[in-house]
Amino acid sequence: GQQLNQSPQSMFIQEGEDVSMNCTSSSIFNTWLWYKQDPGEGPVLLIALYKAGELTSNGRLTAQFGITRKDSFLNISASIPSDVGIYFCAGVGGLSYNTDKLIFGTGTRLQVFP
Amino acid sequence: GAVVSQHPSWVICKSGTSVKIECRSLDFQATTMFWYRQFPKQSLMLMATSNEGSKATYEQGVEKDKFLINHASLTLSTLTVTSAHPEDSSFYICSAASGRTNQPQHFGDGTRLSIL
Repeated sequence: GQQLNQSPQSMFIQEGEDVSMNCTSSSIFNTWLWYKQDPGEGPVLLIALYKAGELTSNGRLTAQFGITRKDSFLNISASIPSDVGIYFCAGVGGLSYNTDKLIFGTGTRLQVFP
Repeated sequence: GAVVSQHPSWVICKSGTSVKIECRSLDFQATTMFWYRQFPKQSLMLMATSNEGSKATYEQGVEKDKFLINHASLTLSTLTVTSAHPEDSSFYICSAASGRTNQPQHFGDGTRLSIL
C-alpha cells in the first residue's frame, strides 16, 4: 500500500534537546496529522493540520503543513523521557479528513536519554 | 470523550482457528470505522474501510473472504480472521470516525494476534 516517507527513521537524543522530523509525499494531501504510538497501544493524535502553510502548536510540539501540500514537519522542544515512542505522520487525500482513509508515514522512533 | 475500545487486547490461538475482534466507539456514533494491520517495527497499513449498514471496502491485496468485516451498528464493527495461520499474526488496530466537522479518527488500543 501507499506510504509516506518519514525521516529520520530513528533518533537517539539527550533529555532537553529539540527534535525535528519530517514527512514527504509525491502526492498532494488536504490534511496532515501527526500521531504518537507507545508500545502495544494504538496511535494518539498530537496535531492536525488542515491548510497549506498552517503552523500549529500543542504544548512543546509544533507542526507545519508544507506550502506545496506534499510535506509536513513536527518539532518537539526540550524533550523529556516520556516523549519516547514512535511518531507517525498521516495524510488524508480526500476532502473529508474525518471519514476518508489515512495514509501513514513510515514512522520515526524516538529514544530520549536522561 | 471520543473513546474507542478494542477487544480482546491479546489473542493466542492454534492455526486454523477463526478469531473475532471487536471495535466499539463508547461515547460517539461512528459512521465510518477503519481496520489497520501493523507488523513489528512497521507502520500501520489500512486493510479496509467500513460504513455502518453497508459492505466494507477492502484495500488492494487484502482478501475479503479471509478478513470478514461487519459494521452492524453505529458503535460496533467486528473483524473476523477466518482460518488464521501464523502469517496472520500481527497487531490489528481499528479507528472510528463520527463524520462531524473537526473530529478526526480516534484509534483503539489494538489487538495483538498470535497464531501458533
